[in-house]
Amino acid sequence: GAVVSQHPSRVICKSGTSVKIECRSLDFQATTMFWYRQFPKQSLMLMATSNEGSKATYEQGVEKDKFLINHASLTLSTLTVTSAHPEDSSFYICSARKRSGLYNEQFFGPGTRLTVL
Amino acid sequence: AQSVTQLGSHVSVSEGALVLLRCNYSSSVPPYLFWYVQYPNQGLQLLLKYTTGATLVKGINGFEAEFKKSETSFHLTKPSAHMSDAAEYFCAVSLPLPGGGNKLTFGTGTQLKVEL
Repeated sequence: GAVVSQHPSRVICKSGTSVKIECRSLDFQATTMFWYRQFPKQSLMLMATSNEGSKATYEQGVEKDKFLINHASLTLSTLTVTSAHPEDSSFYICSARKRSGLYNEQFFGPGTRLTVL
Repeated sequence: AQSVTQLGSHVSVSEGALVLLRCNYSSSVPPYLFWYVQYPNQGLQLLLKYTTGATLVKGINGFEAEFKKSETSFHLTKPSAHMSDAAEYFCAVSLPLPGGGNKLTFGTGTQLKVEL
């Protein structure tokens, strides 16, 4: 149990377009989902925390109007990168926290590689 | 505030040798500590975690880590490295949030290379 999927796994887009990334908890309900960004050979940086049915909480320095997060259900959160630019190219990873999980464990998705041309 | 320091961005060992990846943390409250492994172009997989209780924690793939409060450390070890252990390893500390839940703070990662 505790599987998290992301779609798409890879996406290439033109500068100025918007890209949506989906994160799904396949076999559990996730009250909280997290979005991370990882630059090559670097650590994961938390971008935002989203709770089902409420607005996401963004980390300092993350533009909420650029990185739109929607957590519409207990199994789905989406990250939309609006007006993407080459500097937004990165590896985006989501994680989900179980509704009734112990120790607040997060389960990670496989990541989405975004390349903006 | 909390932070994690991983000493050594790259570690190289011979197959069959001891693996030791270092992690030190700072936390204002008793921490939850985690080790994750990441293979190229993949997400993170939990190796092991410390929450409460026994300070020596055993994880998957033969890895274990010991929580040492006096040293604020949570080093990851494996007695005998295997080629398949080559990956990026992240140490993380968890801080509870006021409204519930937790927030993970990751170290900068250690790339483990296993040589024949």
